[in-house]
Amino acid sequence: EAGVAQSPRYKIIEKRQSVAFWCNPISGHATLYWYQQILGQGPKLLIQFQNNGVVDDSQLPKDRFSAERLKGVDSTLKIQPAKLEDSAVYLCASRRTRSREIGETQYFGPGTRLLVL
Amino acid sequence: ELKVEQNPLFLSMQEGKNYTIYCNYSTTSDRLYWYRQDPGKSLESLFVLLSNGAVKQEGRLMASLDTKARLSTLHITAAVHDLSATYFCAGTTGNQFYFGTGTSLTVIP
Repeated sequence: EAGVAQSPRYKIIEKRQSVAFWCNPISGHATLYWYQQILGQGPKLLIQFQNNGVVDDSQLPKDRFSAERLKGVDSTLKIQPAKLEDSAVYLCASRRTRSREIGETQYFGPGTRLLVL
Repeated sequence: ELKVEQNPLFLSMQEGKNYTIYCNYSTTSDRLYWYRQDPGKSLESLFVLLSNGAVKQEGRLMASLDTKARLSTLHITAAVHDLSATYFCAGTTGNQFYFGTGTSLTVIP
């Protein structure tokens, strides 16, 4: 079974530029998460999708970050314009079900390492 | 919001020794998860703990959950170099995951 795919793996941009990240979850996984992981910290949830609908985006800085999951499969996360503090690893994860009754774990992609100069 | 704290943040231990990583959380968590992250790599799922008293073991790692104390532990038995990594615990409320700051483990030969 293929894992979660992300691209690009690395990105270097200047502040105020725009950047987009792509994620392809594991086939059949209904739930998709985007996390931001700053060096030395644990992942912080940015947005959660259930199929193509947003479940939680309370921690997404909506003035500059946007995300979509068209057709309930692939997802893109965009930053426009980028700030220095956006330098981090952006992790995509997927999960088979949203059900609380099942102890399903998340499966993480390799991440995109973003450096904003 | 669920707060998750881990300690220690950094752990250096000799091969063959035992040690425990602690994970405390602030409010009721539906489940408790443990992940491993190697440098420059993504997170790999280790354990899912579903209820009070749950214990899971895989090789030299054993995880347990005490929901009354809001505490999970990850016990390392007879550490080996291959266990060097950062370990994260995560609690959940609803379907949202809240991660601890991680424990960076270095096993010294």
